[in-house]
Order: sequence, then structure tokens, then C-alpha cells
Amino acid sequence: QKEVEQNSGPLSVPEGAIASLNCTYSDRVSQSFFWYRQYSGKSPELIMSIYSNGDKEDGRFTAQLNKASQYVSLLIRDSQPSDSATYLCAVNKEDYGQNFVFGPGTRLSVLP
Amino acid sequence: DGGITQSPKYLFRKEGQNVTLSCEQNLNHDAMYWYRQDPGQGLRLIYYSQIVNDFQKGDIAEGYSVSREKKESFPLTVTSAQKNPTAFYLCATRGLSSYEQYFGPGTRLTVT
Repeated sequence: QKEVEQNSGPLSVPEGAIASLNCTYSDRVSQSFFWYRQYSGKSPELIMSIYSNGDKEDGRFTAQLNKASQYVSLLIRDSQPSDSATYLCAVNKEDYGQNFVFGPGTRLSVLP
Repeated sequence: DGGITQSPKYLFRKEGQNVTLSCEQNLNHDAMYWYRQDPGQGLRLIYYSQIVNDFQKGDIAEGYSVSREKKESFPLTVTSAQKNPTAFYLCATRGLSSYEQYFGPGTRLTVT
């Protein structure tokens, strides 16, 4: 089992809809979770971090964490064509030198 | 102008040549990282450093070398021993009081 898994997509949603991106992880001791957005040909940009169970909202973005079920999700409300990108899930592992394990990313396409 | 700079943006080399990629930061972050990204794949950790004059191997360190003589700089050398060096190379930094990593713009290396 891979340490961090994401559906590769592409996930297509119409403009204005809610996009839901999911990530599962295998290591129960993971404590910190991050979502990055990566436009084609560009470097990843941090958009959300979440450390405790529940929801965390920032503008149109909501991160949801469920440590018991070992998943973290990202909801994008009122999706815009400019949200079309690959979204990377990253999990911090304290027994890995505080380093990240990244998922393969989910490609999101928002259709006008 | 604060941030992380990587140079050059594009780099072309012949097989058998060593090449050094630059990463500089003025964020006063202690930890610095090098990742490699291949098309359609997530990020893989090459090397990381949490303090000057100290660095650790990541998952795919073979064929690479680094140095950390200054807090601001963490250059990566891709040696001729690296079998498949063509990739997108990303440098990231992290403040020691935070778990969040921030990425530079990346260097796209092509070896023919």
C-alpha cells in the first residue's frame, strides 16, 4: 500500500460547482497534512494546512481531516476555471525527520 | 524581495556531465529540501538539511550530492552517476517552528 494515495483524475466539474478532492494515508502517527496546488509547468503552492480533526475553511477552500479513517479532503466551492490544476496532498511524518510524503496528485479540470 | 530563487529555470546538459542547480532563500528558514518530480508523478525527496553543515539523504539520493555551507544556500549537484537525470527539480524551505514547506520556482533539467 502506498503511503499517500490520491485519485489521479482527471476530475472534471462545471464552473460554480463544488470540487471534492480526496487523500488517504497509511501511517496512523501522521500529524500534519497539507494541500498544494500546482499549475502545469509551475512549482507547488501551499493552499491549506490542517492539523486536527474536523474542518478548516479559508475562503473558497475547506480542508477536512479524519484521523480515525486516515483521510483528508479538500473542497473547493464555486469552482472557477482558474482552479484547474493538479492538487497534491502531503503528509508530515515525525519519524521521517519531519519530512513530507507526497501523493501523486489529482488533476482537476473546471469547465466553463 | 523575499523568497526562494532557483537558477537556471531551464538547463540542458550532455550525458556524462555533472551539473549544479542553485537554490537560494532569504526567508531565514533553517530547513531546506530538494525534490525531484517526473511527469505525472508526485514529489520524491532527494536530500534535506535542517542546519548549516549538516544534510541527510532522502529516498532517492543516489547520483546526487549537496552542500550546506550557508543558511541561505543549498546547491544540488546532479552527477553522471544519476541514471535518469531528466526531471523537474524543486527546492523547498521550512522554518523550524513550522511544519509548512514552501517551494521555489524549480529548474527543469534535460540531459541528452
